[in-house]
Amino acid sequence: GAVVSQHPSWVICKSGTSVKIECRSLDFQATTMFWYRQFPKQSLMLMATSNEGSKATYEQGVEKDKFLINHASLTLSTLTVTSAHPEDSSFYICSAALRGGKTQYFGPGTRLLVL
Amino acid sequence: GESVGLHLPTLSVQEGDNSIINCAYSNSASDYFIWYKQESGKGPQFIIDIRSNMDKRQGQRVTVLLNKTVKHLSLQIAATQPGDSAVYFCAENIDNNDMRFGAGTRLTVKP
Repeated sequence: GAVVSQHPSWVICKSGTSVKIECRSLDFQATTMFWYRQFPKQSLMLMATSNEGSKATYEQGVEKDKFLINHASLTLSTLTVTSAHPEDSSFYICSAALRGGKTQYFGPGTRLLVL
Repeated sequence: GESVGLHLPTLSVQEGDNSIINCAYSNSASDYFIWYKQESGKGPQFIIDIRSNMDKRQGQRVTVLLNKTVKHLSLQIAATQPGDSAVYFCAENIDNNDMRFGAGTRLTVKP
C-alpha cells in the first residue's frame, strides 16, 4: 500500500520550454502532497506543499510563478516548471501523505535536464 | 533556524556486520521521526518511524532509537547486506505536515 508514482521519470528539454511533472497516489487518497528538489549529493529540499482544492504553500525562495503546482484531485498533483533554464536541472520528487497522517510516501522522482 | 543534521556523511561496513547511522536534531518540539532509505536515482523509501513518546522501535532487521534528552536519533541495521547500500536520511516532523530532512549518510556495504 501507499504507492506514489511520478511521470515522466526522465525529461530532457530545451531552455525556455515548460515541463509538467505528474505525481499520483495509486492506492490511497492524499489530501496533501509535497514537492521536493534534490541536487546531486544533497538532501531533499521542500519546494511547496500542495493541498487538494487549494493553493499551494511555497517555501521561502521558491518562485511560485516559475513552479506552478496544481492539486486538482485527491490522487493527482502536478508541478510545471515554466520557462525552464539549465539551473532548473535537478531531481524532482513528490510525496503524499494519507489523510490525517504524518508519514510521507515518496514517488520515484523525475530527473529534469534542461539544455 | 533549527534543523536536523547527521554526524557522519559516509559509513562503510563489512557485509554481515551491524550498522549504526546517527542523526542529531535540535528542535525539541519535534514529535515524530522517520528514517528513509534512498538508492541512487530513486525516491526515498520509508524504513521505520518513531514517535516522541517512545525511545525504541524495532522492525525487520532495523531498530530506531530516540534519545530526547540529547536530541539524538539512530538507525541500527542488523546483519548489513549489500542491498542496504544507499543514502539514509532522518526526518523530523514538527507540525502536522512540516517535515525536515537531514543531510544524509551514505552507507556502503563491502562484500
